[in-house]
Amino acid sequence: DTGVSQDPRHKITKRGQNVTFRCDPISEHNRLYWYRQTLGQGPEFLTYFQNEAQLEKSRLLSDRFSAERPKGSFSTLEIQRTEQGDSAMYLCASTNANEQYFGPGTRLTVT
Amino acid sequence: GQQLNQSPQSMFIQEGEDVSMNCTSSSIFNTWLWYKQDPGEGPVLLIALYKAGELTSNGRLTAQFGITRKDSFLNISASIPSDVGIYFCAGRTTSGTYKYIFGTGTRLKVLA
Repeated sequence: DTGVSQDPRHKITKRGQNVTFRCDPISEHNRLYWYRQTLGQGPEFLTYFQNEAQLEKSRLLSDRFSAERPKGSFSTLEIQRTEQGDSAMYLCASTNANEQYFGPGTRLTVT
Repeated sequence: GQQLNQSPQSMFIQEGEDVSMNCTSSSIFNTWLWYKQDPGEGPVLLIALYKAGELTSNGRLTAQFGITRKDSFLNISASIPSDVGIYFCAGRTTSGTYKYIFGTGTRLKVLA
């Protein structure tokens, strides 16, 4: 068990560009979560999947954000037309029951 | 987004002292999780709680699921310098969702 991995760890992009992040959960974990964390705050829920089904989305997830988990394993989070306010740490977590395990995060900086 | 209230926001303590922090919610929760986060890293799970009144330990850490199911507490005994970090609580409601809500965090600094 190698834990939750996220790629890339850091991303710097210019405003208006699209970015995509990948999360590989712990193998056989059926639920996968995406969170956003800004400086000084706790993680804020964005969305979660049970297998390949996206079961819940936060109001924070605007139309510019989309997440997929096509085969029920890895997931991608895409942000279109990035804005400076999108700068944050994007965290992924997975679980098979109640205990969520986090990846190291992807830090996005929009210039 | 919605966040749970954590108290205190930050604390400076001497090495060897005990630490207490708590997390409160306006909703009833059926699961409480406690995490520690170091700068630039993802949160690391410390303790999970599933029943009202439950008291669970992990080394020098002890956490309790409040009787009202609207709060939880984390205690650290005999703090050491590596306890430095931000501690977050997270809770899941009874509404049938698997969504977790996180607290605002308690920043702990340990003075040697």
